[in-house]
Amino acid sequence: ETGVTQSPTHLIKTRGQQVTLRCSSQSGHNTVSWYQQALGQGPQFIFQYYREEENGRGNFPPRFSGLQFPNYSSELNVNALELDDSALYLCASNPDFPSGDTQYFGPGTRLTVL
Amino acid sequence: SQQGEEDPQALSIQEGENATMNCSYKTSINNLQWYRQNSGRGLVHLILIRSNEREKHSGRLRVTLDTSKKSSSLLITASRAADTASYFCATEIIQGAQKLVFGQGTRLTINP
Repeated sequence: ETGVTQSPTHLIKTRGQQVTLRCSSQSGHNTVSWYQQALGQGPQFIFQYYREEENGRGNFPPRFSGLQFPNYSSELNVNALELDDSALYLCASNPDFPSGDTQYFGPGTRLTVL
Repeated sequence: SQQGEEDPQALSIQEGENATMNCSYKTSINNLQWYRQNSGRGLVHLILIRSNEREKHSGRLRVTLDTSKKSSSLLITASRAADTASYFCATEIIQGAQKLVFGQGTRLTINP
């Protein structure tokens, strides 16, 4: 158990819709990152939040956005869903930035876009 | 794009044998981490090796890092059926954010 939880576990949406995925980090973890993992691939970095501010972003379009809250929870929002957005979405937290330490991953949310 | 490449992409061995997986990367790193993933679920952290370390052990796991060759290996000794999973190496890079760059993984199957 990593102490990181995600909801929902599975989600089915249709193309063009919007989705919000949620993550709850370990207490005291000020940094949260989001990753997208397509089937058969390794996870790809979407973005990272530190103390409620985005401090870095991967090669993802602006329709991927996020929020981090003071209670160690965070959200990933995806607008105008496309079929290629179907993937496992993982959040990861660690205590500080930059910590150079282990990132603790949640179990993921499986998103299917039809 | 993925920074790391893992070799082999798939590995099938008998229970009790040792399993070796290799990872290569392209840029300078802060550290390198190995993760395990069962059936497309969350990633379980196995071991972290810093860029100034050459070898690290944890139970049945042994990780080496050669920064001159930009490569790492993960050795699992005395494999068990429960070790069946996908294994990923991830290099930590700090470019604004502290991000992990993953390879495509090695699918390990342990046959009883």
